[in-house]
Amino acid sequence: SQQGEEDPQALSIQEGENATMNCSYKTSINNLQWYRQNSGRGLVHLILIRSNEREKHSGRLRVTLDTSKKSSSLLITASRAADTASYFCAYTNAGKSTFGDGTTLTVKP
Amino acid sequence: DGGITQSPKYLFRKEGQNVTLSCEQNLNHDAMYWYRQDPGQGLRLIYYSQIVNDFQKGDIAEGYSVSREKKESFPLTVTSAQKNPTAFYLCASRGSGGPATTQYFGPGTRLTVL
Repeated sequence: SQQGEEDPQALSIQEGENATMNCSYKTSINNLQWYRQNSGRGLVHLILIRSNEREKHSGRLRVTLDTSKKSSSLLITASRAADTASYFCAYTNAGKSTFGDGTTLTVKP
Repeated sequence: DGGITQSPKYLFRKEGQNVTLSCEQNLNHDAMYWYRQDPGQGLRLIYYSQIVNDFQKGDIAEGYSVSREKKESFPLTVTSAQKNPTAFYLCASRGSGGPATTQYFGPGTRLTVL
């Protein structure tokens, strides 16, 4: 498959807990992005990390990138019920973005 | 959903018919993209256009066609040659900063073949 792989496929946690999702890819990349998708809606961009960066923060989000392992992780701290959604990584190479299959996160109140 | 609109939200098609999905953006973006999403899966690139009057095939272009006559519009036609067209179709655009900039997505069109 040319697509990235994400794990876990599904994650269920209690409100207040942290959620970690992982993404692996197969090619060299210019950058890697994380998106969120609520059921039946379009994707919303969360954060972009460039290939020369190792970690990036945005509010309750923390993204890491390990180009030697071709992997990235998204950490959502202090999760809320409103964080329930699917999360996708997308890596960009030569102007094209390739998306993973996503992690479905359920945060129980 | 940014400044990208897709219409219609739901579309039903009989087998053998061509249908055209609309995508319009008012973000003055050069690049536009069409993706297909099947249940429980990620997005797969159908076609993309980096500039007006030019477009390239993505990973699953067979059975689809596009045009880019205007900067703000990138319609997708699902032809009768597409064997399994039932899916969720997402349009996106990207600004002139190239791949280092983010893509903005429309709300999607859900196509069902009857």
